[in-house]
Amino acid sequence: GDSVTQMEGPVTLSEEAFLTINCTYTATGYPSLFWYVQYPGEGLQLLLKATKADDKGSNKGFEATYRKETTSFHLEKGSVQVSDSAVYFCAGDSNTGNQFYFGTGTSLTVIP
Amino acid sequence: GAGVSQSPSNKVTEKGKDVELRCDPISGHTALYWYRQSLGQGLEFLIYFQGNSAPDKSGLPSDRFSAERTGGSVSTLTIQRTQQEDSAVYLCASSPFSGNTIYFGEGSWLTVV
Repeated sequence: GDSVTQMEGPVTLSEEAFLTINCTYTATGYPSLFWYVQYPGEGLQLLLKATKADDKGSNKGFEATYRKETTSFHLEKGSVQVSDSAVYFCAGDSNTGNQFYFGTGTSLTVIP
Repeated sequence: GAGVSQSPSNKVTEKGKDVELRCDPISGHTALYWYRQSLGQGLEFLIYFQGNSAPDKSGLPSDRFSAERTGGSVSTLTIQRTQQEDSAVYLCASSPFSGNTIYFGEGSWLTVV
């Protein structure tokens, strides 16, 4: 079935470091792809999304580009802040839209 | 506007008891999802409702789990004869229509002792 695989954590970075969290997808069709973020003690929030190949989603300094040729949707940020400490989930939607499938989450800790 | 609302936010129950978790989706959203997030794990799909269609129950882990959605709005997830392995955060989400962005509630943290 459709799925996403994201890099395992935890990831610890110093403030202002460059962040990459890898995500690859397996799908029979052309899913929309998403990154969700879960800050400590809060629910999941949509961070960004892309609905077709070569689309770039961006929000709060984060970016991810839908790469059909590599079936990837890697999350990047040029300079992380302490406030970016959270768990990040890659996700896709199935062809039928019946369910969204999520990666296992990557915990990010940014230290001052 | 109001987001997805879930209750209770925390529930501690004894093994063998039944529990009900409630989800009130965003007004006008036709699709409603239940997921489970165990400690240190990803999100596990449980069940999906879309309008008046038959729900997709393919993710329910056992027949102790069931869910209803009344009037196309509020949903209740019921776990009968709870087991310790049922301890998790149960997340509800809704979306305007199938395949669009989904919006999550803050979850119901269930602890079975």
